[in-house]
Amino acid sequence: QKEVEQDPGPLSVPEGAIVSLNCTYSNSAFQYFMWYRQYSRKGPELLMYTYSSGNKEDGRFTAQVDKSSKYISLFIRDSQPSDSATYLCAMSVNTGNQFYFGTGTSLTVIP
Amino acid sequence: NAGVTQTPKFQVLKTGQSMTLQCAQDMNHEYMSWYRQDPGMGLRLIHYSVGAGITDQGEVPNGYNVSRSTTEDFPLRLLSAAPSQTSVYFCASSKTGTGAYEQYFGPGTRLTVT
Repeated sequence: QKEVEQDPGPLSVPEGAIVSLNCTYSNSAFQYFMWYRQYSRKGPELLMYTYSSGNKEDGRFTAQVDKSSKYISLFIRDSQPSDSATYLCAMSVNTGNQFYFGTGTSLTVIP
Repeated sequence: NAGVTQTPKFQVLKTGQSMTLQCAQDMNHEYMSWYRQDPGMGLRLIHYSVGAGITDQGEVPNGYNVSRSTTEDFPLRLLSAAPSQTSVYFCASSKTGTGAYEQYFGPGTRLTVT
């Protein structure tokens, strides 16, 4: 069983829609949860970071962590064509440890 | 700052050849790592280092060697290339401790082994 599971999509939504991206994980020791965005033929870049459980909001983006269900989500409000990218979740036990990535979900926002 | 740089951008190798993928960062980051990215498999950790002289294996280390003689550089060596090593390779760096969650990735090296 993979440490982190993520639906690869692809996901296609109209501009302005609310997007929900999700990951599940098996290791209850994970404490650090990240979302990275990767544009085509580029390296990933950090979008959101959450420590332990709870919600975090940054502009149009909201990250949620539910440790009891081992489930994390990223919500994108008022989606824009520029949000079209692959979104990868990542997790680690502590900050000096290995990072485990999901397979990524490909998102296309149609104008 | 250049951030994380990787060379070459593209490489074609024949089976059995060896090569070194270069990675350098100018942010004085202690943590550096190598990932490979394959369709349907996501990013998988090959090797990582928490400082000069310290390296450790990740999820898929077989067929790869690393060393870390300086803080800035973290080269990845393919010992005897195989078609299964065809992939996109990313190098990443971050601080350790507070802020380690933010990894900075290089632009990647696209490797094809024939």
